[in-house]
Amino acid sequence: EAGVTQSPTHLIKTRGQQATLRCSPISGHTSVYWYQQALGLGLQFLLWYDEGEERNRGNFPPRFSGRQFPNYSSELNVNALELEDSALYLCASSLARDRGFYGYTFGSGTRLTVV
Amino acid sequence: AQSVTQLGSHVSVSEGALVLLRCNYSSSVPPYLFWYVQYPNQGLQLLLKYTSAATLVKGINGFEAEFKKSETSFHLTKPSAHMSDAAEYFCAVSGLNFNKFYFGSGTKLNVKP
Repeated sequence: EAGVTQSPTHLIKTRGQQATLRCSPISGHTSVYWYQQALGLGLQFLLWYDEGEERNRGNFPPRFSGRQFPNYSSELNVNALELEDSALYLCASSLARDRGFYGYTFGSGTRLTVV
Repeated sequence: AQSVTQLGSHVSVSEGALVLLRCNYSSSVPPYLFWYVQYPNQGLQLLLKYTSAATLVKGINGFEAEFKKSETSFHLTKPSAHMSDAAEYFCAVSGLNFNKFYFGSGTKLNVKP
């Protein structure tokens, strides 16, 4: 069974540009979660999508947005990039109703560097 | 609201020594608890989970954790550290209604030769 796949693995952008990160969940998983892991700041919850809808959002500005497609894959978009957006962005998936029992399955992340 | 606290952002042990990583949660009801491991530049991998069955949970790579309700703790242990255990470890707790999932701030384990 394929795991959670994220692309690209590395992304270098200039301040002010836009970045698009992609995530494909495990087959059958309907929920996708995005986390930001900046150096020294731990895991910061960004967004939760389930069945194509945004279910919850972390404490991030509106320039962080995303969507979930009918096949449950997801995109994270970051507009007007700032240097402090440099981080590892992790995607995770789960069955929505079972996530408390099974936990999340994580992808390997996208390393975004803003210069 | 649920929260989880990991004591010690950095822990250093010698190879072959006991590994003890601490995790305490706040909850009015027994939650579901998880430990994840993150190797450098990788995603998080589930080590083990407690879901109200046995209080002593065995995971992968020789790790285990004991759920102690009286202490609201779920500490992670391994009898003998190996160099390959060097990584960051995250404790997590889910709410009873599964609507939220909370991660601790992480503990970086360093294993000295």
